[in-house]
Amino acid sequence: AQTVTQSQPEMSVQEAETVTLSCTYDTSESDYYLFWYKQPPSRQMILVIRQEAYKQQNATENRFSVNFQKAAKSFSLKISDSQLGDAAMYFCAYRSVYGGATNKLIFGTGTLLAVQP
Amino acid sequence: SAVISQKPSRDICQRGTSLTIQCQVDSQVTMMFWYRQQPGQSLTLIATANQGSEATYESGFVIDKFPISRPNLTFSTLTVSNMSPEDSSIYLCSGDRPEGYEQFFGPGTRLTVL
Repeated sequence: AQTVTQSQPEMSVQEAETVTLSCTYDTSESDYYLFWYKQPPSRQMILVIRQEAYKQQNATENRFSVNFQKAAKSFSLKISDSQLGDAAMYFCAYRSVYGGATNKLIFGTGTLLAVQP
Repeated sequence: SAVISQKPSRDICQRGTSLTIQCQVDSQVTMMFWYRQQPGQSLTLIATANQGSEATYESGFVIDKFPISRPNLTFSTLTVSNMSPEDSSIYLCSGDRPEGYEQFFGPGTRLTVL
């Protein structure tokens, strides 16, 4: 079974600085999707970025980018130029491509990010 | 991307009663999922709802306690039955985009059982 591990329960960053959130996963599959979701205090889960395992290029969405190391099974999220609105719980998630759309998301335990003004 | 709404956004209920949470998507989705989340913790999948068939429940969750309906491709309900204070939690629904593997989520329902 696949597992997702986030080893940083809490992180803090100064506004305008850069922070990296760690995520590792375990799988025997060769193709899969990885996601970072953001959950602010409003509770709304928001997709931040998606990485397809067969793509070697790291995904980027504006100030958010990932460092995807497939051999090491590592999927870290880098937030550049941090803003107060980035303060939230961040979840790393894994989803298999085998078995179709019925496959569930497997979530990590989350990292609570605080942004200091 | 699609938008999901949930009703109610929050509720306070007495033990022994039942609450039905509604989840409405503004476009058709293949699968819908129901999660439970304790404050400050990760999401736990309750069940996967497919239109026209019974929901598939995860270990530790049973249909008698959490009956789910999925009458069409844009709507689902989750009922929390015979509630106890241990059922106090946030309940979220999500849907799949038909062409992708990402899920998008509703805003959640905060349930408090007294």
